[in-house]
Amino acid sequence: DVVMTQSPPSLSVTLGQPASISCRSSQSLRHSNGNTYLQWFQQRPGQSPRRLIYGISNRVSGVPDRFSGSGSGTEFTLRISRVEAEDVAVYFCMQTTYWPHNFGQGTKLEI
Amino acid sequence: EVQLVESGGDLVQPGGSLRLSCEASGFPFSRSWMSWVRQTPGGGLEWVAHINEDGSDIYYVDSVRGRFTISRDNAKNSLYLHMTSLRGEDTALFYCLGWFSPDNYWGRGTLVTVSS
Repeated sequence: DVVMTQSPPSLSVTLGQPASISCRSSQSLRHSNGNTYLQWFQQRPGQSPRRLIYGISNRVSGVPDRFSGSGSGTEFTLRISRVEAEDVAVYFCMQTTYWPHNFGQGTKLEI
Repeated sequence: EVQLVESGGDLVQPGGSLRLSCEASGFPFSRSWMSWVRQTPGGGLEWVAHINEDGSDIYYVDSVRGRFTISRDNAKNSLYLHMTSLRGEDTALFYCLGWFSPDNYWGRGTLVTVSS
């Protein structure tokens, strides 16, 4: 099975400053069809997760443009250009290239 | 408005069984892939099972294969997870997910507690 490793486990950021979360997979997530099925989810306290990014870098409709995704192969990054109070959450990466699908362990973002 | 409403979670003894249900609305259920994902008490997310639009393709995580069965009824816009031989490590909040590219939908979850 593919192993997804996120870092750091937690992150404390000052309002208005950038934040970056890394996600590494144990094998390339590039599918034989050329697509890479890596996505990012945000889970705010007391809420269900919601998807922010799919296909490495495609922002879901309604997600602020301060969120961006990048990477390829086995190394991926979620960046927040200027952290706001509403960004306090746990962030998960997830691969859906291979079965079983799986998640990273999560990164808790605090202000 | 998209809604996924899970039900069926309960306190059950080890070795027991439960059937979770998820009623969907607001998106084309019969043309959507569906999954169950669980969140452990420690906060981690684990993908559990997946079923395609007509139920012809089904996948499970190794830890539940042979014990859990995912199914769907497109006429009722409903997804199910039949769980048997439950163990303490199955204790989790179980979420129902819908996938209709490029959208992804989550329910609010139903709590399964396995304890004597």
